[in-house]
Amino acid sequence: GIQVEQSPPDLILQEGANSTLRCNFSDSVNNLQWFHQNPWGQLINLFYIPSGTKQNGRLSATTVATERYSLLYISSSQTTDSGVYFCAAPRSKGSQGNLIFGKGTKLSVKP
Amino acid sequence: DAGVTQSPTHLIKTRGQQVTLRCSPKSGHDTVSWYQQALGQGPQFIFQYYEEEERQRGNFPDRFSGHQFPNYSSELNVNALLLGDSALYLCASRSSGHTQYFGPGTRLTVL
Repeated sequence: GIQVEQSPPDLILQEGANSTLRCNFSDSVNNLQWFHQNPWGQLINLFYIPSGTKQNGRLSATTVATERYSLLYISSSQTTDSGVYFCAAPRSKGSQGNLIFGKGTKLSVKP
Repeated sequence: DAGVTQSPTHLIKTRGQQVTLRCSPKSGHDTVSWYQQALGQGPQFIFQYYEEEERQRGNFPDRFSGHQFPNYSSELNVNALLLGDSALYLCASRSSGHTQYFGPGTRLTVL
């Protein structure tokens, strides 16, 4: 099955700074999702982005499917952006419900 | 529009006991997946239910079983609890699309 790797594992930012989180995957994908897990454990959907670029407010994501990576950009970070960011892809193209998660990037934004 | 809901929020059990966790999918969703998230790790896929049948299964022992009801809600049962079963259990739902939406989770502690 597919393998998903995220970097960096930890990131500390000052409020207002920008950051880029990376997700590499070992096989071609038709589904790539980014999630934010808040301190209470809730996984919040950020993007469904198997290819191309999407933007939502201060967040944007780009997936280059041919090179098997995805990037999550956070601009003008706020303390509420703190938490763990996960990317996930299906184990195989025929198993959409079986998401393989990376180990996450733990982001801490300091005031 | 209610999102994915799970109950209970927290649960404490002792080794050897059995536990049942419950999930109601997002309105309009018919497919439910369950994930286990150990502390500091990404979620791991347990199984997926669609049309009241288990359709996919991850690498979990038979002690983990589930059920889906005609209203699409689902239960996760774990028998003969081990200390290592302590984790956050997440339920996710989707319809025919690729995007999965997660519930707030049930935090299980096994003593």
